[in-house]
Amino acid sequence: GAVVSQHPSWVICKSGTSVKIECRSLDFQATTMFWYRQFPKQSLMLMATSNEGSKATYEQGVEKDKFLINHASLTLSTLTVTSAHPEDSSFYICSARDKGFIPGELFFGEGSRLTVL
Amino acid sequence: GESVGLHLPTLSVQEGDNSIINCAYSNSASDYFIWYKQESGKGPQFIIDIRSNMDKRQGQRVTVLLNKTVKHLSLQIAATQPGDSAVYFCAEMGMDSSYKLIFGSGTRLLVRP
Repeated sequence: GAVVSQHPSWVICKSGTSVKIECRSLDFQATTMFWYRQFPKQSLMLMATSNEGSKATYEQGVEKDKFLINHASLTLSTLTVTSAHPEDSSFYICSARDKGFIPGELFFGEGSRLTVL
Repeated sequence: GESVGLHLPTLSVQEGDNSIINCAYSNSASDYFIWYKQESGKGPQFIIDIRSNMDKRQGQRVTVLLNKTVKHLSLQIAATQPGDSAVYFCAEMGMDSSYKLIFGSGTRLLVRP
């Protein structure tokens, strides 16, 4: 099946620094990628929809200036957590839709765990 | 961001028994539903899906039931195995231009040996 790779799988950073997480579709082109955040023992919360070549669409309550999303190519989307604080510590998961998609054919990455000290 | 539910209820079953995991979805306009399995520290894994024009779909050892009248989904796992222990999420998608997938609250399944 289609593979979505996230990097890094885990990262620890100091408060106030910025962290970039990459999401790559390895064997298909993804015009749309989605970024989710998951706190312990909770569900996945959609943060934003990343569209190749255009601005991301953020969900209500998600700060676009804090969570910068770039989708510069059909196989790569990046999420940058700017000026990270301990409350940003979470599990970030991306998903990607194949360019020739069947609605619902979403492939998920293995997630990136961010810990902010 | 959108989220449905903040807690994970737990279902404990004996190995070999059948499991039924329930989910209430939020949007009556949702057209497509998916069940995912998530193991600790990993991303969601697709289990089975169903479209709104169906009320039942079967896979290997799994069955999904959809009741649109009460906006309810269930996942039935036959002959539950220890490897089935995980958190299970339902997710819904509308057929608007965004095709966003919104996750439900999830249920932790524990299989007793």
